[in-house]
Amino acid sequence: GQQVMQIPQYQHVQEGEDFTTYCNSSTTLSNIQWYKQRPGGHPVFLIQLVKSGEVKKQKRLTFQFGEAKKNSSLHITATQTTDVGTYFCAGGETGFQKLVFGTGTRLLVSP
Amino acid sequence: DSGVTQTPKHLITATGQRVTLRCSPRSGDLSVYWYQQSLDQGLQFLIQYYNGEERAKGNILERFSAQQFPDLHSELNLSSLELGDSALYFCASSGGGNNPPGYGYTFGSGTRLTVV
Repeated sequence: GQQVMQIPQYQHVQEGEDFTTYCNSSTTLSNIQWYKQRPGGHPVFLIQLVKSGEVKKQKRLTFQFGEAKKNSSLHITATQTTDVGTYFCAGGETGFQKLVFGTGTRLLVSP
Repeated sequence: DSGVTQTPKHLITATGQRVTLRCSPRSGDLSVYWYQQSLDQGLQFLIQYYNGEERAKGNILERFSAQQFPDLHSELNLSSLELGDSALYFCASSGGGNNPPGYGYTFGSGTRLTVV
């Protein structure tokens, strides 16, 4: 079945440093979504990417969908303590709405 | 409040027992999804319902079953519980159809199940 892996599993940065998490799917995706889960919270939708090579920005966050639609990345510029949490990518296969979530990257930001 | 309501928030039960988790989707959403999240683990897809019908199934154990009712709320039934079933169970909803809407899934706050 479809598998979605993320690296790194965990990253600890100093406030102000940049952060990137990478997402790789074993199958071609129709779309990819990103979610953030704060400690003790539930996943919250951040963004959806649909087109090959698509790049979207939300303030300090930059999301990219690979040309082959099998990989994606999330880059945070100048991290803040409010960025702490686990970031999940989630891939949707063509014709289905079911999302397969990646393994997640846990981000810790020290002030 | 995300608009997706899950009850109960916490549940402690003994091995071998059966429990029912309930989810009310966001108003207007037709699809309901159930995910299991074990401690420090990712989100494992269990099952999806769309407008009352099962749409997709993940690695859901035979001891687990679910349904979506005419009012679109959903229940996840877990039976013959084992210690390993202890986890956070999330329900999520979305607008339905084959392609995800632009707003993605809306998750509830989850039910934390502890099997002792």
